Amino acid sequence: KQEVTQIPAALSVPEGENLVLNCSFTDSAIYNLQWFRQDPGKGLTSLLLIQSSQREQTSGRLNASLDKSSGRSTLYIAASQPGDSATYLCAVRATGANNLFFGTGTRLTVIP
Amino acid sequence: DGGITQSPKYLFRKEGQNVTLSCEQNLNHDAMYWYRQDPGQGLRLIYYSQIVNDFQKGDIAEGYSVSREKKESFPLTVTSAQKNPTAFYLCASSIAPSTAHTQYFGPGTRLTVL
Repeated sequence: KQEVTQIPAALSVPEGENLVLNCSFTDSAIYNLQWFRQDPGKGLTSLLLIQSSQREQTSGRLNASLDKSSGRSTLYIAASQPGDSATYLCAVRATGANNLFFGTGTRLTVIP
Repeated sequence: DGGITQSPKYLFRKEGQNVTLSCEQNLNHDAMYWYRQDPGQGLRLIYYSQIVNDFQKGDIAEGYSVSREKKESFPLTVTSAQKNPTAFYLCASSIAPSTAHTQYFGPGTRLTVL
């Protein structure tokens, strides 16, 4: 069964820093990988979706990479802002599966 | 204003009672999903539906039931058989069950059993 791990569980950085969040998965047979943002007590907002044939996706200050063979993805956030403070979740869609397998998330705090 | 709505935002239930969580979408999406989120754990799939009048069990379906009588609605019933129902419940939808499409999430319902 697919297992998704996110390290670190929590991260605090000063405003303006660039940072990297990590996601690893055990089964490389995936269709795609998705990064979400979740604010406290709220639903999930999709940030980036990377298909298995792609290596990276970019949206504004966010860049997500995918290395399927090693079972890893990173989310790079440039010039962090206090408004980036949230929990970031990684999810993979396994081959033949209809659901997403989620990691436990990284809680990011950007200090003004 | 398109999107996914869930109601209520907070729900309290006494032990032994069934309770139904609402999920409505006006995105014209075929597929809908219910997830459960617990502290320190990733989201886990309860049920999903690929089309009207069809639904499938997810990883943790025991103690839950669903219906999909209309395309825009996918209510979840938490029955008294669910041993530990206190959790945050999230509904999602996607254009189609196809793996290429992203899932869009509602704001969630926090259920507390008293």
